[in-house]
Amino acid sequence: QVQLVQSGAEVKKPGASVKVSCKASGYTFTNYDVNWVRQATGRGLEWMGWMNGNSGDTGYAPKFQGRVTMTRNTSTTTAYMELSSLRSEDTAVYYCARGRIHDYWGQGTLVTVSS
Amino acid sequence: EIVMTQSPATLSVSPGERATLSCRASQSVSSKLAWHQQKPGQAPRLLIYGASTRATGIPARFSGSGSGTEFTLTIAGLQSEDFAVYYCQQYNNWPLTFGGGTKVEI
Repeated sequence: QVQLVQSGAEVKKPGASVKVSCKASGYTFTNYDVNWVRQATGRGLEWMGWMNGNSGDTGYAPKFQGRVTMTRNTSTTTAYMELSSLRSEDTAVYYCARGRIHDYWGQGTLVTVSS
Repeated sequence: EIVMTQSPATLSVSPGERATLSCRASQSVSSKLAWHQQKPGQAPRLLIYGASTRATGIPARFSGSGSGTEFTLTIAGLQSEDFAVYYCQQYNNWPLTFGGGTKVEI
């Protein structure tokens, strides 16, 4: 069965960077994009960007351009999302999701930014 | 970017009743529209894609309709496990965008 398993919760100070991983299994990793979506507490879903699982090509939402980097390791079928210059407003649960239609989601990773 | 607007923000219904949720796009997204369900403390789950196709394992009481800029999610005969927040998402244009959500409550 398709599974996306994300790394554990992180606590970071303002100005730092965080890197969240998303381990994919149960399907051919290179056949699908991986998308990243975040959700602040009590708020809605916010799409951050996508990465082609085969080529590694990426596309980022304008809001995150310059601060986010999405990469992958095809040998370990793992996708990564790194967000830099963290501020308190980046405190949220970060999700990975498969494909444009987001047919499978990771369990989420809580990132807390606090001094 | 395409703005997705959902209404109402909150929908109060009784078990067994029908719920109708709306989603409007600021410009046409063709049929590239998905609906996701999210329960408290859980990741979202895909319900509908292509505006009207149920995802694997989704019960027939969930149905989607619409194209272009106007879309509807209908839940026929609400069950207790259906009380949740529902998000529409367009995937026709970059950046992908979500609506603000509709909370379906008892």
